[in-house]
Amino acid sequence: DQQVKQNSPSLSVQEGRISILNCDYTNSMFDYFLWYKKYPAEGPTFLISISSIKDKNEDGRFTVFLNKSAKHLSLHIVPSQPGDSAVYFCAASPCLLTQGGSEKLVFGKGMKLTVNP
Amino acid sequence: DVKVTQSSRYLVKRTGEKVFLECVQDMDHENMFWYRQDPGLGLRLIYFSYDVKMKEKGDIPEGYSVSREKKERFSLILESASTNQTSMYLCASIWTSGMGEQFFGPGTRLTVL
Repeated sequence: DQQVKQNSPSLSVQEGRISILNCDYTNSMFDYFLWYKKYPAEGPTFLISISSIKDKNEDGRFTVFLNKSAKHLSLHIVPSQPGDSAVYFCAASPCLLTQGGSEKLVFGKGMKLTVNP
Repeated sequence: DVKVTQSSRYLVKRTGEKVFLECVQDMDHENMFWYRQDPGLGLRLIYFSYDVKMKEKGDIPEGYSVSREKKERFSLILESASTNQTSMYLCASIWTSGMGEQFFGPGTRLTVL
């Protein structure tokens, strides 16, 4: 059962326009959400995160929105640039873990963004 | 800056061989993870470790084992490599439980012939 879903496998946008990447989750225990960007043949790099006490977090061109009632988050990239072309992974983490545990992230399947010049 | 390094970027092995993938992090992180990434399947957790000599199975541990003898080093072992283990393997680490991002290594592209 997929707990974090990125239903669109790919998105293509023009340079300068907005890119909107969507992510849905099913587990109500998730309270921290992250976006990672991955280029081919490289490891994922952290992009932006949001905790469940917020509904928006902004960092430069990147903004993440969280709608807890809908169990939905989205990443907005404005303006999109060709260098943003990559695979984007949405990830979620449950509440703080019990002693002796460790922080597991649950990842979506990823979405390939292509920004055309 | 946190640095997570993996022993090889590309590896080619034969079916039945024993394969070792090594991961080292330099920030004294307690938690380390091994994932594999396959097209259309995203990142799937194989094993993780929250302390030296401690390990827990992830979502797809079959065919793999791990070793963590030192805090900075986490090894993934394929006891008898099979073609369905051809994949991109990614190691990650994080300091402790709480809200923070995992730091990933560059990945090892393993091909099993």
